[in-house]
Amino acid sequence: GAVVSQHPSWVICKSGTSVKIECRSLDFQATTMFWYRQFPKQSLMLMATSNEGSKATYEQGVEKDKFLINHASLTLSTLTVTSAHPEDSSFYICSARDTTSGANVLTFGAGSRLTVL
Amino acid sequence: AQSVSQHNHHVILSEAASLELGCNYSYGGTVNLFWYVQYPGQHLQLLLKYFSGDPLVKGIKGFEAEFIKSKFSFNLRKPSVQWSDTAEYFCAVRKQAGTALIFGKGTTLSVSS
Repeated sequence: GAVVSQHPSWVICKSGTSVKIECRSLDFQATTMFWYRQFPKQSLMLMATSNEGSKATYEQGVEKDKFLINHASLTLSTLTVTSAHPEDSSFYICSARDTTSGANVLTFGAGSRLTVL
Repeated sequence: AQSVSQHNHHVILSEAASLELGCNYSYGGTVNLFWYVQYPGQHLQLLLKYFSGDPLVKGIKGFEAEFIKSKFSFNLRKPSVQWSDTAEYFCAVRKQAGTALIFGKGTTLSVSS
């Protein structure tokens, strides 16, 4: 079945630095990918919709300049957390839909846990 | 705004007990409904989904869910839980294909052997 790979799965960084998280669709193309954020013991909150070849659509309250999203190809979307602070520590999860097979479900990546010191 | 409510925050059951987790959504139009499971340390996995047709949907691992349109509900059930069902369960809704899923807050299920 469709697989979504995220890298890194776990990252620790110092406050003020930037961190890039990659989301790749393996063996399928995804014109749209979704980025979610999950705090401990809480639900997944949609951050943004990543669109291949165009600007991402951000949910209300999500800072565009803070969370940079680039969907450079049909198999890769990246989320860059700029000037990270401890409150950005969270679990970031991406998901994608196989637009070529007609499958109508999202496949989720394993997530990337960011810890900002 | 569209929202998803999961009534049970934490459910504790003994093995072989029956399970029902509640899920209600607020959107009035046609929706697609999902239940996902997240085992400790693992990624989300799709348990089952409803798009149209028979409102009783059967999923993997013996789970099923019933869509009741009049109640805006999509409750998850399993007749007899196992210790391995210990996990976080999320109900999710989307308005149309291709759009993002909106998740409920999740229900933690703890099954004791």
